[in-house]
This record gives sequence, structure tokens and C-alpha cells, in this order.
Amino acid sequence: DAGVTQSPTHLIKTRGQQVTLRCSPKSGHDTVSWYQQALGQGPQFIFQYYEEEERQRGNFPDRFSGHQFPNYSSELNVNALLLGDSALYLCASSSGTGWGDEQFFGPGTRLTVL
Amino acid sequence: GDSVTQMEGPVTLSEEAFLTINCTYTATGYPSLFWYVQYPGEGLQLLLKATKADDKGSNKGFEATYRKETTSFHLEKGSVQVSDSAVYFCALSDPFSGGYNKLIFGAGTRLAVHP
Repeated sequence: DAGVTQSPTHLIKTRGQQVTLRCSPKSGHDTVSWYQQALGQGPQFIFQYYEEEERQRGNFPDRFSGHQFPNYSSELNVNALLLGDSALYLCASSSGTGWGDEQFFGPGTRLTVL
Repeated sequence: GDSVTQMEGPVTLSEEAFLTINCTYTATGYPSLFWYVQYPGEGLQLLLKATKADDKGSNKGFEATYRKETTSFHLEKGSVQVSDSAVYFCALSDPFSGGYNKLIFGAGTRLAVHP
């Protein structure tokens, strides 16, 4: 059983560009959350998708947007990239959105903005 | 708002030493509490969790007890191994934060165990 998968593994972009990151949830999971982990810090919640809708959002600007597809996979899009967007982007999936439900994390996509 | 505070690292121990990593939290409601571990170059793995006061989560020799009176969830292990070297994150999920399982993380504590 494949766990959470993310692509690409690494990505290098320049300021002002746009980027799309992809995530496939663990089999049987219908909820996908995205987190940003800056170097040396804990992950910060970006948003969560359930039933193809954004259910909850953290303190991130509108440059960060997402989408969930009918097969539950998800994309994270970041427009007008800034140097400060350089981070590890983690996708997590769960079965449902209950506050005790365990989230399973993917290996992440390392984004470097030059 | 909700927050998690962890002891700063790095924590450096000899093999077979006792480990404690402190974690305290602030939350509006009665959160679920988690410890995640991140090995070099990898994503996060759930280590253990507790969903109500006085619950003890345990896994792979690690333990943590949900202490509502002190708003704490300290991680302990009686005898660490070199393979335990990693970054440990304390996290919470608060049902009053919209009712969904958004995780709020501490800054992480790096553990280095040497032979």
C-alpha cells in the first residue's frame, strides 16, 4: 500500500515565477492538508481540502492556492514566488477531518527560490 | 491563538541515556496532542498521540502523558539509541479551531545520540 506521494522531490524557481506541487494521498484517504516547513522550523498549516473544497486555511496570502481532484489527489499552486517561499512543502492525508484523526505525511517537495 | 512550545535543541545524549523533551501548549478547547518524528531527508512520521487528559501515548519505547493541569505533553524514553537521532515535533489539533484536524506544531527539537 503506497503511502502519501509528492512530486517533484526538488524544484528550483526564480522570483516572480509560479509553481505547482502535487500530492497523492494514502489509499482510502479523502482529506489532504498542505504545510510549509521553513528551514529549522516546525510545519505551518497552509490549507486543507475535503470533497474538492477548501475547508480551512492558515495565515497564508492568496498567492497560495490549491485544488483537489475527484480521485482525492491535490495540487498546491504558488504565484509570484518570493525568496521567503523557499521551504519544504509537506502534504498530509487523513480519512476524514476529525480533530483526533491521524494525518500521514509525504516526504515533501523542497522548493528553492532564487 | 493556539500554540505549542518545545524545549530548544539540540539535545545531545549518549546511547542508553534517559530522554526528556518538554512540550507545553495553549489551546482554546481540549486538543488532541501528538509527537511526530522527522528523520534526515524524510517527511514526518507519527510517533504517538493522546486524545484526552491523563491518556498516555506510547510507541517504540517512547511515552508521553497528556497533562491538562499543566498543559504539557513531555516526551520520554528510558534508553535512547543512535537510531533515535532525529528532529521531534510536538503538535496539537484543536476541535475549537473550526472542527477540523489542522495541526499546530512546535519548532522542533533536534536529538543527537552518540555511541
